Order: sequence, then structure tokens, then C-alpha cells
Amino acid sequence: EPEVTQTPSHQVTQMGQEVILRCVPISNHLYFYWYRQILGQKVEFLVSFYNNEISEKSEIFDDQFSVERPDGSNFTLKIRSTKLEDSAMYFCASSEPRLAVSTDTQYFGPGTRLTVL
Amino acid sequence: DAKTTQPNSMESNEEEPVHLPCNHSTISGTDYIHWYRQLPSQGPEYVIHGLTSNVNNRMASLAIAEDRKSSTLILHRATLRDAAVYYCILLYSGGGADGLTFGKGTHLIIQP
Repeated sequence: EPEVTQTPSHQVTQMGQEVILRCVPISNHLYFYWYRQILGQKVEFLVSFYNNEISEKSEIFDDQFSVERPDGSNFTLKIRSTKLEDSAMYFCASSEPRLAVSTDTQYFGPGTRLTVL
Repeated sequence: DAKTTQPNSMESNEEEPVHLPCNHSTISGTDYIHWYRQLPSQGPEYVIHGLTSNVNNRMASLAIAEDRKSSTLILHRATLRDAAVYYCILLYSGGGADGLTFGKGTHLIIQP
């Protein structure tokens, strides 16, 4: 069964450094998402991406964050100048729009644990 | 997004049915009811969704009240692997790339 993959599984960085989290969505999917989950808290939506542009973003997704689909398979989340509070699990998800049903199942990856020291 | 209310936790025995309730009294006519779950140390996983009629799939059943103000996720025969946090989420049917709004969900504990 096709699945969303994410690399690395764990990223440790120093405060102020830039990190790039990578995701490979399911190949025929067209919508891509990033979520985060701070330890012990809810899963929070960050951003969605369709047709090479941001479709929707939350208040959390400020200028520190950016997303990109650099090629036909990868979807990346860049965090510039990381802060201690960016430490969290980051989940990528993808969905395939179905013409007959306008709400779509999102398939999540296993996540990248980001630790900012 | 319309709000959902779920119990913080529920406990059940292995191989028994589990009924997980969700209240969504402010649901609009265009909202689908989605259920996701998150197993320990994993990403969320789709379980089931519906609009008005009850739905069944290989994982679970979804029973939707006639007035749509509540729904129940039914696991017919819980296993230890079903221990997870279950999220009831309303999603506008307009589609597109809508982000999911997760609440705290129900932490389901399965006793052997």
C-alpha cells in the first residue's frame, strides 16, 4: 500500500539554525499538508499546498516557515532561525482530490521529531 | 470550523465492542464527520467518514444521529492494537486543501 514517507526521523539542531524537513507524498496525490504536534499537545495544522502554491495556512505558519515542492516527488518544510519552541513532531500528509466527493482522506507520514537545543 | 466534544478517555476490554461518542451540535449541513486515530508514536490515521447515513468499512462503523448533532464510532471487536487517541473532526464539504482541526480526542485504553 502506498504511504507517505518523511526524512529524517529525528533532527537535532541548535537554536537559530535553519532546518529542512522532507516528505515524499503518495505519488498520485495533489494536495500536501504540514502539521506539528508539540509533546503532549494537540496536532496543529500549519499549511496546505496545491498546484505549487500555498492553499491555506494557520496563524502558526509565519515568515519563519516556508514550503516547497522542489521536484515531482518531494515536499519540504523549511524553518528558518529555529527557536526552542519549534521542538515538536512534524507530520506531512497528502490527499487525492476525488471529483465525486469533495472531502478527501488525508494520509499522514510517520513524522520527523525536531529537537531544538 | 464547527466544534466537536469527546470524552477525554474511555476504557474497554479486548475483543469487546467499543462505542466512542462525539457531539457536534453546531454542525452545518455541508460538514462531513471524519474520524482519525493516532496510535502511540505514529502519525494520525484515517478511520472513517460520513455525511448523513451510517457508514461501514473494514476498520469501523460510523453511526450518525438523525439530527446529525452527534455521532458514534464503533469498533466491533477491539484489539490491543486499537489503543489510540481517536479524533472526531468536522470538515467542510467544499473540498480543496482544508487543514484538519484536531481537538484533544478520546484516549482509548484497551485492557487485555
